[in-house]
Amino acid sequence: EPEVTQTPSHQVTQMGQEVILRCVPISNHLYFYWYRQILGQKVEFLVSFYNNEISEKSEIFDDQFSVERPDGSNFTLKIRSTKLEDSAMYFCASSDPLGPQHFGDGTRLSIL
Amino acid sequence: GQQVMQIPQYQHVQEGEDFTTYCNSSTTLSNIQWYKQRPGGHPVFLIQLVKSGEVKKQKRLTFQFGEAKKNSSLHITATQTTDVGTYFCAGRDSSYKLIFGSGTRLLVRP
Repeated sequence: EPEVTQTPSHQVTQMGQEVILRCVPISNHLYFYWYRQILGQKVEFLVSFYNNEISEKSEIFDDQFSVERPDGSNFTLKIRSTKLEDSAMYFCASSDPLGPQHFGDGTRLSIL
Repeated sequence: GQQVMQIPQYQHVQEGEDFTTYCNSSTTLSNIQWYKQRPGGHPVFLIQLVKSGEVKKQKRLTFQFGEAKKNSSLHITATQTTDVGTYFCAGRDSSYKLIFGSGTRLLVRP
């Protein structure tokens, strides 16, 4: 069964540094998403992406964050000037229009 | 903004007992999805409900969508240790984003 893959599985970064989290969505999906989950808490929507542009974003997704689809397979989340409170699990997901979202295994981001 | 509340936060049951988690949205939903997340894992899609009053079953799991399309429930009959995890409902309004509930963590005593 096709799956969403995310790299790296764990990223440790100094506060203030930039990080890029990478995702390869399921190949025939057109909608891509980033979510985050702070340890022990619920999954929070960050951004959705379709047709090479952001379709929706939450209030969490401020100017510190950006997304990009640099080629036909990758979907990236960049966090500029990371803060301690950015420490969380970041999940990428992809879907058909209005279909279920398929999640990757996540990247655990630890900001020191 | 849209909020999705879920109760209870935790449920600790004896293996064989039933389990129910309830989900309530502040706004009418176009559909609701249920996900299961095992400890250390990622959310895994279980089911999607679209129609008002819809009921769907998957073996020991029964999912309901309320008539007003603002609430939903998941009921597990005769829990097993493999049911352990956190169950999230996730509501979608007219947009593509999912708003997740806070989740119900199910623990099953063998």
